[in-house]
Amino acid sequence: SYVLTQPPSVSVAPGETARIPCGGNNIGSNSVLWYQQKPGQAPILVINYNSDRRSGVSERLSGSNSGNTATLTISRVEAGDEADYYCQVWFSPSAQWVFGGGTKLTVL
Amino acid sequence: EVQLVESGGGLVQSGGSLTLSCGASGFTFSSFWMHWVRQAPGKGLVWVARINGDGSSSNYADSVKGRLTISRDNADNTLYLQVDSLRGEDSAVYYCVRGGVASSGFDKWGQGTLVTVSS
Repeated sequence: SYVLTQPPSVSVAPGETARIPCGGNNIGSNSVLWYQQKPGQAPILVINYNSDRRSGVSERLSGSNSGNTATLTISRVEAGDEADYYCQVWFSPSAQWVFGGGTKLTVL
Repeated sequence: EVQLVESGGGLVQSGGSLTLSCGASGFTFSSFWMHWVRQAPGKGLVWVARINGDGSSSNYADSVKGRLTISRDNADNTLYLQVDSLRGEDSAVYYCVRGGVASSGFDKWGQGTLVTVSS
């Protein structure tokens, strides 16, 4: 099966840029999705097709994907960005969806 | 408005079985792949199963193959997940999720139903 690796936590000060990596073997050849989950809530899809922001998602969120790492970047971080973020890909050889372990973003 | 409402969770004994349901509304249910995703307390998201629009094709995560069965009733706009031989590791919030078109991601989520397996 395919494994996606995320750091458990990332911390940034307000106004700074947060970068959340998602590692996987040749992940650059996959289409990566990103979800945001706030405490007590269901996840919401924020980025699909590596870098397409969903309607209503802040322009401060962006995605990139190359080689063995996909990255979710949050610019000018605000307190409201505190959440868990998950990457996801479709692994076609086994016909399974795979999530990364998730990264908790803390705004200092 | 798209709505997904799960039910059927609760406290169940280890070794037993249960069936979760998800009522869908606000969209053409039979046109979409549907999924179940679970999340153990304090842990990450885990995709467990999917089923296509007409119910003819399904796939499962390796960790649950043989114990979980996903199904749907398009006449009733309802998605199901049967879980057999329940184990402690099955304790989780189970989310009913709509798959977007062409692998565009999981675009609508229910609020989830909590399953707790007791020994």
